[in-house]
Amino acid sequence: GENVEQHPSTLSVQEGDSAVIKCTYSDSASNYFPWYKQELGKRPQLIIDIRSNVGEKKDQRIAVTLNKTAKHFSLHITETQPEDSAVYFCAARLSGSARQLTFGSGTQLTVLP
Amino acid sequence: EAGVAQSPRYKIIEKRQSVAFWCNPISGHATLYWYQQILGQGPKLLIQFQNNGVVDDSQLPKDRFSAERLKGVDSTLKIQPAKLEDSAVYLCASSVGGGQLFAEQYFGPGTRLTVT
Repeated sequence: GENVEQHPSTLSVQEGDSAVIKCTYSDSASNYFPWYKQELGKRPQLIIDIRSNVGEKKDQRIAVTLNKTAKHFSLHITETQPEDSAVYFCAARLSGSARQLTFGSGTQLTVLP
Repeated sequence: EAGVAQSPRYKIIEKRQSVAFWCNPISGHATLYWYQQILGQGPKLLIQFQNNGVVDDSQLPKDRFSAERLKGVDSTLKIQPAKLEDSAVYLCASSVGGGQLFAEQYFGPGTRLTVT
């Protein structure tokens, strides 16, 4: 099965700085990599995703990069704001019909005002 | 559109007792997932349904956990008997499924289970 490792487990940045969270996956057959944001006591919500045929995707202050050769992908948040504070989870999904997601262990991002 | 609904939101039981969770997915979503999220960890898939059929239950502890999705809509997840290590948030998610290869999974608010 797939295995996803996520680093760092905690990250503190000053408001306005950038934050980067990295994930590695084990199965080269994975073809879909979503990122979820989970605020305290709330449900995970998709913030951005990338497919294996794309190297980078950007949505306003959020971007994701994918390196298939190295089997790692990263979330980049620029101009961080206090409301970006949350736990971020990466995930990977194997190609095939089942479409299960394997999640990383999460990164607690704290944006200091 | 209405989101994924789950109940109850919180449940406290003693070990060896039984508990059941209910999930109502987004209307029209064929695929339904149950995840277990232990504090400080990412969600772990327990079982996945496509309509009313099981697609994957390889990580479901079948000696104590069971799940069903009658009529391909609502689903229930049951634990019997519960153990201390079952304390977690149980998340239900749904997606369009079918031929949508990259369909987004929408999560419900979860049920926080505490086993004492």
